[in-house]
Amino acid sequence: KQEVTQIPAALSVPEGENLVLNCSFTDSAIYNLQWFRQDPGKGLTSLLLIQSSQREQTSGRLNASLDKSSGRSTLYIAASQPGDSATYLCAGVNAGKSTFGDGTTLTVKP
Amino acid sequence: DAGVIQSPRHEVTEMGQEVTLRCKPISGHDYLFWYRQTMMRGLELLIYFNNNVPIDDSGMPEDRFSAKMPNASFSTLKIQPSEPRDSAVYFCASRGGTANYGYTFGSGTRLTVV
Repeated sequence: KQEVTQIPAALSVPEGENLVLNCSFTDSAIYNLQWFRQDPGKGLTSLLLIQSSQREQTSGRLNASLDKSSGRSTLYIAASQPGDSATYLCAGVNAGKSTFGDGTTLTVKP
Repeated sequence: DAGVIQSPRHEVTEMGQEVTLRCKPISGHDYLFWYRQTMMRGLELLIYFNNNVPIDDSGMPEDRFSAKMPNASFSTLKIQPSEPRDSAVYFCASRGGTANYGYTFGSGTRLTVV
């Protein structure tokens, strides 16, 4: 059974700082790894999708990496802004369904 | 594309009443998922469909919950009778037929059972 862990559970940083969110998974036979953002009271918005054959994906200030052999993925956010404050979830996709982590709640202070 | 569409956005009902949540997936997506999110338990997969067929319903909490997908463009999640502990945000998500496609989530239905 796939288990996905995100550390830390919460993170507070000053504006402008670069930061890394971590995601680890137990079953390396994933098809892909997807990062989401969730604002309070809202749904999940997809940020980046890394296919199992890829090692990283980039979108603007976001960069996600995937190391299947070690069961880890990271989400790097450059030059953080208050608008980045949200909960970030990762999901490992196995046959048919995903397993989600509990998320990291990020607060970027002005 | 309008994305995954869920209705209603909010539902307040009394204990014992029947509740029906609705979802329209993205056209062409072969997979549809129902999730429930609470502060205590996080995001839980309830059931998912592939090509309108239920594949895994092991996450459905009990017989009070049922889900259907009569066609590729519509799914329902029904709770009968509802209980206060069913209060949560229910999300529907869809995905393309290859695992290279990511998930797209709807905006969710916030259910409150009083």
